[in-house]
Amino acid sequence: DTEVTQTPKHLVMGMTNKKSLKCEQHMGHRAMYWYKQKAKKPPELMFVYSYEKLSINESVPSRFSPECPNSSLLNLHLHALQPEDSALYLCASSQEGLRTDTQYFGPGTRLTVL
Amino acid sequence: AQSVTQLDSQVPVFEEAPVELRCNYSSSVSVYLFWYVQYPNQGLQLLLKYTSAATLVKGINGFEAEFNKSQTSFHLRKPSVHISDTAEYFCAVTLANQAGTALIFGKGTTLSVSS
Repeated sequence: DTEVTQTPKHLVMGMTNKKSLKCEQHMGHRAMYWYKQKAKKPPELMFVYSYEKLSINESVPSRFSPECPNSSLLNLHLHALQPEDSALYLCASSQEGLRTDTQYFGPGTRLTVL
Repeated sequence: AQSVTQLDSQVPVFEEAPVELRCNYSSSVSVYLFWYVQYPNQGLQLLLKYTSAATLVKGINGFEAEFNKSQTSFHLRKPSVHISDTAEYFCAVTLANQAGTALIFGKGTTLSVSS
């Protein structure tokens, strides 16, 4: 099973709301990632967790807060977002986080901020 | 810094014709390269990857790519495309430091297959 699941598939929120995106994998992978993809653009890395520890934070605004409760789960907590944060948010996982590892992507959560 | 450049933003092609999607990389150190496909409203799926083994890499769905060090290229090819190959294709390189590994994507190539 090479599946990464993400919930919800779609999310509409106001600028004062607090919401969370969830990602789950059961492949025994030890590295998990959040990417942001704007329309007609490539994905851009936001965060990397390696062995449940945050290893890369690509200067993402604090209104995005990642959390890795265990090796299978990755959350992205959202608070006070701006309309320009509307995008497809992709989660991915890989075996060990090595350069040669394949990253497996979920289907994404399409976020709209009003 | 490592990066990839996809030379064509759009490639229109007729069904059953061959196709080549071009990707060039820049790196001063060992490089690992990937091709991903993204169908509309979906996540990304790995087509193939180069990790310092054979220079001709075969992937899923009949795609293959050749790593060319002298030309710093990793072009994706398919001898005969189908309508279902219509999608966005991303070339990517992994960038690693002591903290972790990140995929750095090219800008993407839209492959449009028509009958």
